[in-house]
Amino acid sequence: DIVMTQSPDSLAVSLGERATINCKSSQNVLSKSNNKNYLAWYQQKPGQPPKVLIYWASTRESGVPDRFSGSGSGTDFTLTISSLQAEDVAVYYCQQHYTTQRTFGQGTKLEIK
Amino acid sequence: QVQLVESGGGVVQPGKSLRLSCAASGFTFGSHAMHWVRQAPVKGLEWLAIISYDGSQRYYADSVKGRFTISRDNSKNTLFLQMNSLRDEDTAVYYCVRGGNSVDDYWGQGTLVTVSS
Repeated sequence: DIVMTQSPDSLAVSLGERATINCKSSQNVLSKSNNKNYLAWYQQKPGQPPKVLIYWASTRESGVPDRFSGSGSGTDFTLTISSLQAEDVAVYYCQQHYTTQRTFGQGTKLEIK
Repeated sequence: QVQLVESGGGVVQPGKSLRLSCAASGFTFGSHAMHWVRQAPVKGLEWLAIISYDGSQRYYADSVKGRFTISRDNSKNTLFLQMNSLRDEDTAVYYCVRGGNSVDDYWGQGTLVTVSS
C-alpha cells in the first residue's frame, strides 16, 4: 500500500497569514499515461464529512475559494491557504487515488493562533 | 443534487454482524464506483473498500479483508457493507463515498457503528 505522511500534525496560524501543509507519498502517484498526479486534498470540519478541496494535486474543486491552492508532483505535495480565515479551522487530509486501494494521510489540524 | 444517506449503524456486540446501507440519489448510481471509508472516534480517515460501477470488481483494505463485504444493487441505487466478526476497533463512523474519474467527490453524513459488550 502507498503510505501517505502529512506534516505537521497540527498547525496554528494567525488570521490573514499563510498556512502550509505538506504531504509525502511512499510511492510516486504521477501517472505517465496522462501526466496527472493522483493526489487530492480534503477539508473536514467538526461533525461534518470531508469535503474535496483540490484534486489532480492542483485543480481546485468548483466553489472552493482561491485562497486554497495545491502544488507538488511525484511524491511531495503541498496545500497552501494564502490568507487564513476563521472558517478554515478544520482538519485537512491528503489522499492518493493512484491505486484502487486508496490511502489517506493522518490529517493536519489547523487552528487559529 | 447528489445525496448519499447511510443507515444501519448502531450498537453491536463483539463477534456479531451488521449490514450498512447507503441510498444514493441525484446521479446515475450505476455509472460510478463506490467506496466505504470509516473514521474511528477522534481519529483519521481509513479507506475500507471499493466496488466497481457494475459490481464485478471489489477491493478491500487489509484490516477488513475476509470480514467485510461490499456490494451494490443498481436497480435500487443502494450500496451495502456487510460487516462480520466485528471487533472493538471497528467502532467508527462509516461513510459511503462516490468514486469519480478525477476524485472521490461526494460523501454521505455517515452512520455510527459502536462495537461494545
